[in-house]
Amino acid sequence: DVVMTQSPDSLAVSLGERATINCKSSQTVLNSSNNRNYLAWYQQKAGQPPNLLIYWASTRESGVPDRFSGSGSGTDFTLTISSLQAEDVAVYYCQQYYSSPLTFGGGTKVEIK
Amino acid sequence: EVQLVESGGGLVQPGESLRLTCAASGFTFSSYYMNWVRQAPGTGLVSVSRINSGGSSTNYADSVKGRFTISRDNANNRLYLEMSSLRAEDTAVYYCARERTGTERGMDIWGQGTMVTVSS
Repeated sequence: DVVMTQSPDSLAVSLGERATINCKSSQTVLNSSNNRNYLAWYQQKAGQPPNLLIYWASTRESGVPDRFSGSGSGTDFTLTISSLQAEDVAVYYCQQYYSSPLTFGGGTKVEIK
Repeated sequence: EVQLVESGGGLVQPGESLRLTCAASGFTFSSYYMNWVRQAPGTGLVSVSRINSGGSSTNYADSVKGRFTISRDNANNRLYLEMSSLRAEDTAVYYCARERTGTERGMDIWGQGTMVTVSS
């Protein structure tokens, strides 16, 4: 199985500041035939189901604010919140869909400093 | 409205069985892969099982292989998870999630979840 490792486990960021979350896969999730990274990011607010933010490592889901961006390729990926808002307090998960079983990272909790 | 609604959770004793149901509405259910994802209290997301759009191909996490069975009824827009030989470590909120497998990807629609508690 592909193991997804996120860091840090938690971070506290001031309102309006940048938050950066890292995700590393135990093997590549880049499909060389289409040059796409099979990597998604989700946001989960307290008491709610997860919400898809980004797929293909960097494609923002419809309706997701542009302060959220994804980058990276192969085995190393980053989710960036460019200017943290109060409503962004949540746990963020990366997930690979390159191979079954689909696997999630352990999550990163983002709080306001 | 595109919606997934889970049901069937509850309190069971170790070794017992339970069947979860996910009712889909507002979209062409038979066109999508479907997943069960669980979340134990205070922990992260774990993919439990996945089924392709036609129901002919399934995958399971190692932790549930041989005990859980995923299935679907495309005529009635239902997804199921049959769980047997339940253990305390199966205690979790179980979510069903729609998975896009075309140009757009990811689990884009989630239900609110159903709680399964395994305890004596």
